[in-house]
Amino acid sequence: EAGVAQSPRYKIIEKRQSVAFWCNPISGHATLYWYQQILGQGPKLLIQFQNNGVVDDSQLPKDRFSAERLKGVDSTLKIQPAKLEDSAVYLCASSPRTDGETQYFGPGTRLLVL
Amino acid sequence: GENVEQHPSTLSVQEGDSAVIKCTYSDSASNYFPWYKQELGKRPQLIIDIRSNVGEKKDQRIAVTLNKTAKHFSLHITETQPEDSAVYFCAARPQGAQKLVFGQGTRLTINP
Repeated sequence: EAGVAQSPRYKIIEKRQSVAFWCNPISGHATLYWYQQILGQGPKLLIQFQNNGVVDDSQLPKDRFSAERLKGVDSTLKIQPAKLEDSAVYLCASSPRTDGETQYFGPGTRLLVL
Repeated sequence: GENVEQHPSTLSVQEGDSAVIKCTYSDSASNYFPWYKQELGKRPQLIIDIRSNVGEKKDQRIAVTLNKTAKHFSLHITETQPEDSAVYFCAARPQGAQKLVFGQGTRLTINP
């Protein structure tokens, strides 16, 4: 079974620039999560999709972050404009369940904002 | 909302000894508690989980215990090996929620 795929793996941008991350979940997984993992901390949920609908985006900074999951498969997370404090690893996870259990993580995208 | 505290932040043990990592949670109605292992530069992987109707669960050298009264749960690794070196994260799922709240992580180092 192929795992969760993410790209790019690394990204360096200057503050105020825009950036986008892509996630391809495990085939057939209805639920997709985006997490932000700041160095030395645990993953923090940004947004959760079930199929192509948003279940939870309560911790997504909506003034600069946006995400979509068209057709209920791939997803993109965008930051516009980026701030220094957005430097982190952005993890995508998917699950065949809808209750938060059995999450499979991708390798993450490491973002550095200068 | 739910808050998960994890201790210690770093742990160093001799190979063959046991390691214990503890997490406390704030929402007494939380009902699912997984543990993830993240090796350096790799993705987090689920290693064991426990639900609120169970007090203990074992899988070979790892076990998790849950104390609902005290609102804490612990990861126990016995007969530690060098490949156990990683960052371990606990998490809790608040009741009625479909998401996980993670602890801050514990960096475990196994010394040969």
